[in-house]
Amino acid sequence: GENVEQHPSTLSVQEGDSAVIKCTYSDSASNYFPWYKQELGKRPQLIIDIRSNVGEKKDQRIAVTLNKTAKHFSLHITETQPEDSAVYFCAAQGTGNQFYFGTGTSLTVIP
Amino acid sequence: ETGVTQSPTHLIKTRGQQVTLRCSSQSGHNTVSWYQQALGQGPQFIFQYYREEENGRGNFPPRFSGLQFPNYSSELNVNALELDDSALYLCASSFPRAGGMRGTQYFGPGTRLLVL
Repeated sequence: GENVEQHPSTLSVQEGDSAVIKCTYSDSASNYFPWYKQELGKRPQLIIDIRSNVGEKKDQRIAVTLNKTAKHFSLHITETQPEDSAVYFCAAQGTGNQFYFGTGTSLTVIP
Repeated sequence: ETGVTQSPTHLIKTRGQQVTLRCSSQSGHNTVSWYQQALGQGPQFIFQYYREEENGRGNFPPRFSGLQFPNYSSELNVNALELDDSALYLCASSFPRAGGMRGTQYFGPGTRLLVL
C-alpha cells in the first residue's frame, strides 16, 4: 500500500518568514494530494489540494508543488502569521478509496 | 449547506464494551470515510461507505464495523474495546467527482473515545 512520509515533525519560524513542509509518497498511482491544518482540539481543515495533472497550485499565501517523478510534494506558506500555528498533515490518495496521511508537522510562528 | 457533524463529542468506555459513533455527512455528499487519530499521529483510514456499501477498508480488525443509511449518515461500531482504541475518531464526507476523480474530503469535529 501507499506510504506517506512527512518532514519536519516540528518547525518554528519567525513571523513574516516562510515555512516549507515536505512529503514523499510511494505509490506512483496516487493522484490526489490534499493538505490539512489541524488546530488543537479541532477537526482537520482542508487548506489546499493538488491533483497529479498539475505541478503547482497557489492560493494567496499558500502554495503546493508536486513532483510526480520524484514522488514528493511540498506545502509553502509565505509571510507567516501567528494564526498559522497548527499541525499540518499531508495526504495521498491513489486508485483505491483510501487516504494515507503523513505523521504531521507542528508549526509554530513566533511573533 | 451544512457541514459534517458527529456525535457524541466525548465518550468513556471500559475494556470489552461496545461503542457506536455517529456521523452526518455534509449536504449533497454520498460518501463517508472513518478515521482513527491517535494522539500526535495522523488519521488512519478505517473504512469508507458509498451508497450504503463498504467501499474500501484499512488495516483494522473485523471488530470495527460500520453502516451507511439511505440519507448517507453513517455509524462506526467497535466491539470488544481495547485500551489502544482510545483515540479521536473522525468521519469525513465527500462526493465523487466526474470521471473517477477524487472528491475532496471534509472532516467532522470528531468523537474522542477513552477506553479504561
